[in-house]
Amino acid sequence: KNQVEQSPQSLIILEGKNCTLQCNYTVSPFSNLRWYKQDTGRGPVSLTIMTFSENTKSNGRYTATLDADTKQSSLHITASQLSDSASYICVVSEAGGGNKLTFGTGTQLKVEL
Amino acid sequence: DTAVSQTPKYLVTQMGNDKSIKCEQNLGHDTMYWYKQDSKKFLKIMFSYNNKELIINETVPNRFSPKSPDKAHLNLHINSLELGDSAVYFCASSQDYGLQNTEAFFGQGTRLTVV
Repeated sequence: KNQVEQSPQSLIILEGKNCTLQCNYTVSPFSNLRWYKQDTGRGPVSLTIMTFSENTKSNGRYTATLDADTKQSSLHITASQLSDSASYICVVSEAGGGNKLTFGTGTQLKVEL
Repeated sequence: DTAVSQTPKYLVTQMGNDKSIKCEQNLGHDTMYWYKQDSKKFLKIMFSYNNKELIINETVPNRFSPKSPDKAHLNLHINSLELGDSAVYFCASSQDYGLQNTEAFFGQGTRLTVV
């Protein structure tokens, strides 16, 4: 069964600090991996999409890494801001056509003063 | 301009009622989706529509029926609502079917509470 597991489940950090969120998956065959940010009461917003051949991808202060061999990904947030407080969801797409996305349950990040 | 818009944002209704949630996208995308997010924040696809054609129905009860009057709209109709239907429902759209490397844009969600 295709699964996406994220850790930690929740995280509290001080403003200005860095943090790294983890994602492990068993989805196969693999197509791509996405990280979404979901603010409370809002829909998910895409941060990055990475294919099999991409090891790292940045979007401003967000940097995602992918190790397709170990089936692991991370999302690193640099110099966190209060507005980074949200749920971060790892989503893996299965190859072969069709909308076969497997969502992780997310990491709830809270950035405090 | 809101790319993917859903209405209503909140919906409280009694068991056994029939309700609809509307979704519209102004991105010119070919494919639209409905997702259900349960209390554990887990998102699961319910339907996807490509050019008015249902592509996937992930073992959703037939009380749920998507209706697409045109490419820009995908409404979700639910018959005989049950307590377990309480969740947040998200509409999404993408340029093409498959989401291989294309963005999926989500609406703000509709929080459905069945009492």
